[in-house]
Amino acid sequence: DAMVIQNPRYQVTQFGKPVTLSCSQTLNHNVMYWYQQKSSQAPKLLFHYYDKDFNNEADTPDNFQSRRPNTSFCFLDIRSPGLGDAAMYLCATSPLSGDAGDEQYFGPGTRLTVT
Amino acid sequence: GEDVEQSLFLSVREGDSSVINCTYTDSSSTYLYWYKQEPGAGLQLLTYIFSNMDMKQDQRLTVLLNKKDKHLSLRIADTQTGDSAIYFCAERSNDYKLSFGAGTTVTVRA
Repeated sequence: DAMVIQNPRYQVTQFGKPVTLSCSQTLNHNVMYWYQQKSSQAPKLLFHYYDKDFNNEADTPDNFQSRRPNTSFCFLDIRSPGLGDAAMYLCATSPLSGDAGDEQYFGPGTRLTVT
Repeated sequence: GEDVEQSLFLSVREGDSSVINCTYTDSSSTYLYWYKQEPGAGLQLLTYIFSNMDMKQDQRLTVLLNKKDKHLSLRIADTQTGDSAIYFCAERSNDYKLSFGAGTTVTVRA
């Protein structure tokens, strides 16, 4: 089935140790998004790619970087994780075809724990 | 900027109707969405409504939009235990980004 896949589902990293989360999609969508979701809060958009064009949100910390080597894959790199970066990280894709209800398709998320 | 607000909790008896309310501030919103999130899972789109509509029905789900008051609601008829989840309201502005509310946790009791 076409879908958005996130690996790993659970990631534990140490304070200050770089970590990479990955997302892949078989939907061939041209837009990919990364959200951070903390407990009992709304998902917060970190950045998105429209094809290869990277769009950073103004309040996304420099500690967060992203790479999209091809249409299918997108990575979230946290250079020096702090305790405040512990959260669920959600990847989403969208076709942006201009049709009604261009929905975002979400992956299951990666739960990041920082020790 | 966009601001989406929802009540945080709703408890409903199995078989009753649930109504989840949402308010938003961006008058340029083109589409409004309801997403469902089960424990440990990503967000699943339930339904959406275009901003020039005032109602949409999809099986047990009814969405009402009052654009003048910027108020959106989701009614779930005959609520089942499988409907227990967090429900997020979201608005889409013209730049194709979504702004989410904090989510309403719906608990269905027997």
